[in-house]
Amino acid sequence: NAGVTQTPKFQVLKTGQSMTLQCAQDMNHNSMYWYRQDPGMGLRLIYYSASEGTTDKGEVPNGYNVSRLNKREFSLRLESAAPSQTSVYFCASSEGAGLAGGPYEQYFGPGTRLTVT
Amino acid sequence: AQTVTQSQPEMSVQEAETVTLSCTYDTSESDYYLFWYKQPPSRQMILVIRQEAYKQQNATENRFSVNFQKAAKSFSLKISDSQLGDAAMYFCAYRSGGTYKYIFGTGTRLKVLA
Repeated sequence: NAGVTQTPKFQVLKTGQSMTLQCAQDMNHNSMYWYRQDPGMGLRLIYYSASEGTTDKGEVPNGYNVSRLNKREFSLRLESAAPSQTSVYFCASSEGAGLAGGPYEQYFGPGTRLTVT
Repeated sequence: AQTVTQSQPEMSVQEAETVTLSCTYDTSESDYYLFWYKQPPSRQMILVIRQEAYKQQNATENRFSVNFQKAAKSFSLKISDSQLGDAAMYFCAYRSGGTYKYIFGTGTRLKVLA
């Protein structure tokens, strides 16, 4: 049981390049999330997917796109990377069964450190 | 909009002593959940403890306990008998019962002194 996996762990991009961050979970969770973590700013939600087939914007979606490929996988794409997107990116998943929900915790991947020069 | 505030960017504690990390939140909801996550230098986020708003009893997990003051919208984390392995960033998080979104505070870095 690997939990939440992310690839790659590290990446350096030049301004204007594109890349896709991959995330997969093997816990049969309904909800998946992408966050970025910057010093002094905590975790900020970029996009989330409440269930397979749906995606919604979070707090800081500009410059990013996502795809919920299936229940297991949720990818984050940077179409034209900018230095402001230098950050650590975390993928997370949660049971999130239904809007009523419950005290479901989020399970996090190990993170991707992205540097844009 | 809901917000989560952690007003202590950094705290220090002597090994074996007790430390309390503060968290306040702002919401008009009555149904919500609160969480404390630990992020050690490995970067891996780990759930420490959770609290349902409808439960009056404070949650405890071994050396970790919370002081949940619903009227004051306060959710502090107490770590007893601090250990070197407790050194980490600690994040407070909130989720409304009617949504899938979690809102995180900016974190408190805890240093444990030998």
